Amino acid sequence: DQQVKQNSPSLSVQEGRISILNCDYTNSMFDYFLWYKKYPAEGPTFLISISSIKDKNEDGRFTVFLNKSAKHLSLHIVPSQPGDSAVYFCAATTTGANSKLTFGKGITLSVRP
Amino acid sequence: GAGVSQTPSNKVTEKGKYVELRCDPISGHTALYWYRQSLGQGPEFLIYFQGTGAADDSGLPNDRFFAVRPEGSVSTLKIQRTERGDSAVYLCASSNTRDSGGYTFGSGTRLTVV
Repeated sequence: DQQVKQNSPSLSVQEGRISILNCDYTNSMFDYFLWYKKYPAEGPTFLISISSIKDKNEDGRFTVFLNKSAKHLSLHIVPSQPGDSAVYFCAATTTGANSKLTFGKGITLSVRP
Repeated sequence: GAGVSQTPSNKVTEKGKYVELRCDPISGHTALYWYRQSLGQGPEFLIYFQGTGAADDSGLPNDRFFAVRPEGSVSTLKIQRTERGDSAVYLCASSNTRDSGGYTFGSGTRLTVV
């Protein structure tokens, strides 16, 4: 039973355009959400997070939006750069649950020059 | 060191053998996690340490898997009687629980059971 779902396995965008990566979750107890970026042969790297008390968090080119009623979040990257090409994982946790993360399967983003 | 260090980076073992995977967390980080990432999947939680004690081992798949962190720093994940299904990348992460961001992962150990 996948509690965090990233239904699109891949996404290809042109450099300079917006990349939108989607994530859905089923567990209503989740109250903190994170995005990780992973390059081949490296561990995941923390990118951005959002608490359930907010609906938007922005950090430079990266913005995460949270729609609690729809149990949906999205990561927007604008403008996209070739160096953004990587696998992006959505993760969720429940505050107080030892910060144990539940990950989605990941989305492979390719940014074309 | 500056980051989370995992050794070995690659391990090939025969079915039925015993393996140990080592994780050296960021100095001063009290929380340490082990995750397992199978091909085409996201990382799956195995075990969490707060200091020396295993605060949550609910993700360990069966009793062939065991982890220790005797001095609250380095941790070792031990797998007995390895099976081909254990083949995966084993990721370790550590955090300062006062941090609001995510934790820092190592590069992982790729375990292949043949």
